[in-house]
Amino acid sequence: DTAVSQTPKYLVTQMGNDKSIKCEQNLGHDTMYWYKQDSKKFLKIMFSYNNKELIINETVPNRFSPKSPDKAHLNLHINSLELGDSAVYFCASSQDRSQPQHFGDGTRLSIL
Amino acid sequence: AQSVTQLGSHVSVSEGALVLLRCNYSSSVPPYLFWYVQYPNQGLQLLLKYTSAATLVKGINDFEAEFKKSETSFHLTKPSAHMSDAAEYFCAAQWGPGGGKLIFGQGTELSVKP
Repeated sequence: DTAVSQTPKYLVTQMGNDKSIKCEQNLGHDTMYWYKQDSKKFLKIMFSYNNKELIINETVPNRFSPKSPDKAHLNLHINSLELGDSAVYFCASSQDRSQPQHFGDGTRLSIL
Repeated sequence: AQSVTQLGSHVSVSEGALVLLRCNYSSSVPPYLFWYVQYPNQGLQLLLKYTSAATLVKGINDFEAEFKKSETSFHLTKPSAHMSDAAEYFCAAQWGPGGGKLIFGQGTELSVKP
């Protein structure tokens, strides 16, 4: 049983396209996150949601729009993709904001 | 600004040798501290966490870390390296409520030689 699952695992697309990444957690956690891992493996938080409410928006371009239809799901929609968006995007969840975070396996986004 | 620094982007040890991965944080206010491991093409797996209880924290797979406030450090050790320990290791810190934001170090790639 996968705790935090992301789809798709790989995403290859062209500049200018719009794409979405889906994330679901079956841990019953209240808080979910999106992180970006760049080509040097550096990880940085993008967004955090607590019970469907946005609590962190870490100066991410507004081409990135997270949506949380319920507390088990946090999707990431990206408009007008750019070369610099190529990265691995990780979804994570935690019981609350002070508990350890559980990560999905990542979505590798490649922009041609 | 609050930050986390991992000394050494790459560490190589022989199988059976001691593993020591270094992590320092920047603030005078001690954060919650975590070590995560990432195997190729996988997500991050929690090894251990420090949340202001015992300063010596034991984690999975015989890893442990010691919190030293005077040195603002949280180094990760394992007495005897195994080939399966080869992976990328990340130290991360969380300050205050902060929405749960984790600040990561740059990562250390551990290689284990037979």
